[in-house]
Amino acid sequence: QSVLTQPPSASGTPGQRVTISCSGTSSNIGSHDVYWYQQLPGTAPKLLIYRDNQRPSGVPDRFSASKSGTSASLAISGLRSEDEADYYCAAWDDSLSFFGGGTKLTVL
Amino acid sequence: EVQLVESGGGLVQPGGSLRLSCAASGFTFSAYWMHWVRQAPGKGLVWVSRINPDGSGTNHADSVKGRFAISRDNAKNTLYLQLNTLRADDTAVYYCARDFNALPDYWGQGILVTVSS
Repeated sequence: QSVLTQPPSASGTPGQRVTISCSGTSSNIGSHDVYWYQQLPGTAPKLLIYRDNQRPSGVPDRFSASKSGTSASLAISGLRSEDEADYYCAAWDDSLSFFGGGTKLTVL
Repeated sequence: EVQLVESGGGLVQPGGSLRLSCAASGFTFSAYWMHWVRQAPGKGLVWVSRINPDGSGTNHADSVKGRFAISRDNAKNTLYLQLNTLRADDTAVYYCARDFNALPDYWGQGILVTVSS
């Protein structure tokens, strides 16, 4: 069981907007920044979002994120087939780092 | 260009040891915290360890505390992970990653460690 809880799967059709949630507690999401990662099949993870809602250079603005209290969410708008991947949230908790269990996004 | 290249993985028997290395280039290695993260086959990412820039401070996940040790050689731009008393559930791809304000930004391609008799 991960400290951060994500739904195991999500899906959408091309062009749709999908959201992926990440639920935590006051000691992790409630107190620290949330990061989001994308892992395409067979590849290393890639940083998508840092400090709750900031995009690194090169990440399309179709990807956005927000946080409220002890929950965070990642939104992908204008869904594309190449967005099919696993998505992970991450945060600190008591000086250790934790990842969510991951959400497999399927583009139908 | 930031590059992180892991090496040292392979097949090891339960109870055995292994040392992973991660060669860093394209950035000032000695200025960054560094992480190890692992991923068991078909499973999610699990944070393992991190080390501060001069190597004087480390943190380890509870699941590996006392068995794994992270270290670094800033003169060689290399990060290490010593894996001892290995168990079957340590089988995973191990990624080294650079820190960006507490969590990773750049990741290596990963190296597979298989613990089996």
